[in-house]
Amino acid sequence: DSGVTQTPKHLITATGQRVTLRCSPRSGDLSVYWYQQSLDQGLQFLIQYYNGEERAKGNILERFSAQQFPDLHSELNLSSLELGDSALYFCASSVGDTSGYTFGSGTRLTVV
Amino acid sequence: GQQVMQIPQYQHVQEGEDFTTYCNSSTTLSNIQWYKQRPGGHPVFLIQLVKSGEVKKQKRLTFQFGEAKKNSSLHITATQTTDVGTYFCAGRTGRRALTFGSGTRLQVQP
Repeated sequence: DSGVTQTPKHLITATGQRVTLRCSPRSGDLSVYWYQQSLDQGLQFLIQYYNGEERAKGNILERFSAQQFPDLHSELNLSSLELGDSALYFCASSVGDTSGYTFGSGTRLTVV
Repeated sequence: GQQVMQIPQYQHVQEGEDFTTYCNSSTTLSNIQWYKQRPGGHPVFLIQLVKSGEVKKQKRLTFQFGEAKKNSSLHITATQTTDVGTYFCAGRTGRRALTFGSGTRLQVQP
């Protein structure tokens, strides 16, 4: 157990639907990051939050949004889902901006 | 934007052989990190390099950061089957989020 909790572990949904992925960071970590990993691909940065505020955006589609709540957990909302959105979505957390990341076990999203 | 390239994409070695993966950034980095992802698992932080020319060792793993802070390498001596997985480098500029390389998948034949 890395200390970063992601739910659900697996999600199967139909095209056009909307889903919410949840992440609880490791205790004490203020930064939360979301990454997308498609099959046999690298990790694509989506978005970062720091202590409740959006810090940086990467290649995040307009159909996707995220937020970090006062208790520091974060949610990634994916809407109007397409087949190409099928991927592993990882959440990671870190103490600060320059430290290593602790990854959760990921949510595997399958869009059918 | 910042790009981090990693080679090779895939390497298959016999147990006991050495392995090296290389990472190159299009921009000068503040620091570089290395992660290992086992098949079916999540990336696990291995190490961070910050200084120009820095070399760090972890048992059979040797990590180097280039003098210009634009390239890095990971060398594994005498690979074991437990080394199987994908190794990612990840570069950072300033306080931005990490940009991950495409990874090198290592297979070790017993």
